[in-house]
Amino acid sequence: AQSVAQPEDQVNVAEGNPLTVKCTYSVSGNPYLFWYVQYPNRGLQFLLKYITGDNLVKGSYGFEAEFNKSQTSFHLKKPSALVSDSALYFCAVRDIVEGGYNKLIFGAGTRLAVHP
Amino acid sequence: DAGVIQSPRHEVTEMGQEVTLRCKPISGHNSLFWYRQTMMRGLELLIYFNNNVPIDDSGMPEDRFSAKMPNASFSTLKIQPSEPRDSAVYFCASSLRIQGAPNNSPLHFGNGTRLTVT
Repeated sequence: AQSVAQPEDQVNVAEGNPLTVKCTYSVSGNPYLFWYVQYPNRGLQFLLKYITGDNLVKGSYGFEAEFNKSQTSFHLKKPSALVSDSALYFCAVRDIVEGGYNKLIFGAGTRLAVHP
Repeated sequence: DAGVIQSPRHEVTEMGQEVTLRCKPISGHNSLFWYRQTMMRGLELLIYFNNNVPIDDSGMPEDRFSAKMPNASFSTLKIQPSEPRDSAVYFCASSLRIQGAPNNSPLHFGNGTRLTVT
């Protein structure tokens, strides 16, 4: 079965420093990977996705993610963190289902706290 | 576009009562998903529809839960009777599935309904 793991419950970063939120995956076949962000009392918002092609994927709000097949990882990164980036981040993988529906399996989430 | 609209935003009810959560997907989207979020279990997929037809309801926890999609612009999730352990945030999400093409469209989430069952 497809799955993703987010090994860190929380990541703390000082504003202006680079940030990394980790995600590893386990899939059969080619992975379709996603990152979403959730702000308080809001739904999840799509940040970026990896389907195929370049291993470095750029997304919204200056975020990017690096797909690493040998390490089965898809870490989310940003060169310079902002206090407003503080939120809950979810990694997700598309499940393999008959019919090719976009059924996503989410990780447990990582809370990012950016300190001024 | 107003995005996915869910109502109510908050629902407080007593154990045993019927609860109905509502969702209006983004116009033109043909796939709709219901998720539940709790601290203990994270995000769980309950059921999803394509072209108003339920595709997979294996995530629905019990027979007390039911979902319908009578048309392309409306879906409901009903819990009858409700129990305290149903307390969670329930999210609806929609996306566009193109027949015959790899489906990598992102999900668009509503802001959720926070359900508290006392």
